Amino acid sequence: DTGVSQDPRHKITKRGQNVTFRCDPISEHNRLYWYRQTLGQGPEFLTYFQNEAQLEKSRLLSDRFSAERPKGSFSTLEIQRTEQGDSAMYLCASSGSGRTDTQYFGPGTRLTVL
Amino acid sequence: DAKTTQPPSMDCAEGRAANLPCNHSTISGNEYVYWYRQIHSQGPQYIIHGLKNNETNEMASLIITEDRKSSTLILPHATLRDTAVYYCIVLNSGGSNYKLTFGKGTLLTVNP
Repeated sequence: DTGVSQDPRHKITKRGQNVTFRCDPISEHNRLYWYRQTLGQGPEFLTYFQNEAQLEKSRLLSDRFSAERPKGSFSTLEIQRTEQGDSAMYLCASSGSGRTDTQYFGPGTRLTVL
Repeated sequence: DAKTTQPPSMDCAEGRAANLPCNHSTISGNEYVYWYRQIHSQGPQYIIHGLKNNETNEMASLIITEDRKSSTLILPHATLRDTAVYYCIVLNSGGSNYKLTFGKGTLLTVNP
């Protein structure tokens, strides 16, 4: 399978704990995106990487959130001191860097904060 | 990016064509229309996109009106597996604009 992969698929944690998610993009894609989706809503943009550079962060990405893409390949999204409001599906997508390059999504990581 | 308007839900009989409308009356000349769908608890799946001309691929056809203010996604022979939320998104692919802005989409239910 050469699509976008995410790990873990499900994560249950207690409030106040830190969690980290991983995304492996399609190998030739140099753009990587994180989105968050809460129940009944469409996905919302969180942040975007071009190679290893994080070029934009949404206001939704509070100080407790940090994303990295150290070698321009896989990316991690860490949430520190989780809150119940962080419960959501966290989606990763990747694309090439052409003007109309399509974003392809992974299966998502569903986070439940108790 | 231009805002899109979609009906919240639609039904379709299995084997029939599903026609999903989308209004994007404020679309500008360099904005593309993208369609994604999301089957329950999965990541969004890309379907098709277009600028001005009608487009067709193995999944669907996209019909864009001449004034580009609306479009229709057509699934020619809907199956039960096409039951999903369908999102119409307008994206300015010029410069560095790359964020997909999802609305609530249309829940298409294909009935046997």
